[in-house]
Amino acid sequence: DARVTQTPRHKVTEMGQEVTMRCQPILGHNTVFWYRQTMMQGLELLAYFRNRAPLDDSGMPKDRFSAEMPDATLATLKIQPSEPRDSAVYFCASGLWGGLDEQYFGPGTRLTVT
Amino acid sequence: GENVEQHPSTLSVQEGDSAVIKCTYSDSASNYFPWYKQELGKRPQLIIDIRSNVGEKKDQRIAVTLNKTAKHFSLHITETQPEDSAVYFCAAIRSNMLTFGGGTRLMVKP
Repeated sequence: DARVTQTPRHKVTEMGQEVTMRCQPILGHNTVFWYRQTMMQGLELLAYFRNRAPLDDSGMPKDRFSAEMPDATLATLKIQPSEPRDSAVYFCASGLWGGLDEQYFGPGTRLTVT
Repeated sequence: GENVEQHPSTLSVQEGDSAVIKCTYSDSASNYFPWYKQELGKRPQLIIDIRSNVGEKKDQRIAVTLNKTAKHFSLHITETQPEDSAVYFCAAIRSNMLTFGGGTRLMVKP
């Protein structure tokens, strides 16, 4: 049963620290998405990649957030410096471009910035 | 861009009753409409989906209807059970861009 994996599952850090979240998409999937979920804003798309190339990151605060796909098996989302308002659950999802369009979500990283 | 509105934000039903959640979308080019169920502390998981060339789809107790002209789609759950309690999200996809509705917290009372 192929699944998207994310690490870490939980992260508590102090304001100003760098945070790196990692995602391993399902093998063979060529699109990767990063979402942020908060009670106030719901599920927001931050960025997505197709064949490792960033296609849209307009949902991401550019001054502190960055997303990369160093290879087909790893996507990263970095926050530097982190702020308390970044506290949220960050989900990674993967899918097939031009396929069935279903996106498979990872378990999420719960980030708390104090 | 796409805008998806979802109603109601909370829904409480008695076990055995039906539940209906409605969504509207703005982009007529959207062509795929999934529904996700998210239990507390868990990831969103796809429960049913419908494509723009279909008006209705059913899977056991769950059904989805789509009205492309009016740009709205609905999730119907019949014979609700306590394990149906969760947050449900509708979404609309255009060119792999998925826009979520705000979610509906469904509570099924035994």
